[in-house]
Amino acid sequence: DIQMTQSPSSLSASVGDRVTITCRASQTISNYLHWYQQKPGRAPKLLIHSASNLHGGAPSRFSGSGSGTDFTLTISSLQPEDFATYSCQQSYSTPFTFGPGTKVEI
Amino acid sequence: QVQLQESGPRLVKPSETLSLTCGVSGSSISSLYYCVWIRQSPGKGLEWIGSVYPSGDTYYNPSLESRLTISVDTSKTQLSLKMTSVTPADTAVYFCASRSVTMPHDSFDVWGQGTMVTVSP
Repeated sequence: DIQMTQSPSSLSASVGDRVTITCRASQTISNYLHWYQQKPGRAPKLLIHSASNLHGGAPSRFSGSGSGTDFTLTISSLQPEDFATYSCQQSYSTPFTFGPGTKVEI
Repeated sequence: QVQLQESGPRLVKPSETLSLTCGVSGSSISSLYYCVWIRQSPGKGLEWIGSVYPSGDTYYNPSLESRLTISVDTSKTQLSLKMTSVTPADTAVYFCASRSVTMPHDSFDVWGQGTMVTVSP
């Protein structure tokens, strides 16, 4: 199985801050990497697919980059509604696996 | 816009079978590429359980495969998950989700709200 790690596991930030979250795969996954946002008690929502493609409806302050084993999710200017947990997912091979999540707190 | 809704018992006894269904509305399963079941144990990350195509073809997580059956009903309006011999480790929120035809690279763009299942005597 491909193992996904994320760093940091949590971070504290303020409204307006630039935030970067890192996801690393245990082997190369090309650009088969997706990012989800999840708020407490809610289902995950797809933010970015294929490493860098903003999903329809996701705000443009979210961006993704990377290829191979190392990927980043960046929020250019944190908004109050962005406080949530962010998880990456690889779909290069089954079983599909997710990172443990990064909790973004005030 | 397709919508997904999970349903089933919230409490299951150890060694028994967990059975969930996911209702599909706003479209039929045939209009989707495929559907998946994903779970999240309390305070933990997400775990892919398995996938089912409108044809009925399935792919399972090898760590769970021996206990799983995922299927689509003939009306193509719901899918089901059966997991046998459950233990407290199977306590989790269970989500159904789908990959739309237009989505590349097996990302899941539609999710149900999830249903919490507790395994306890």
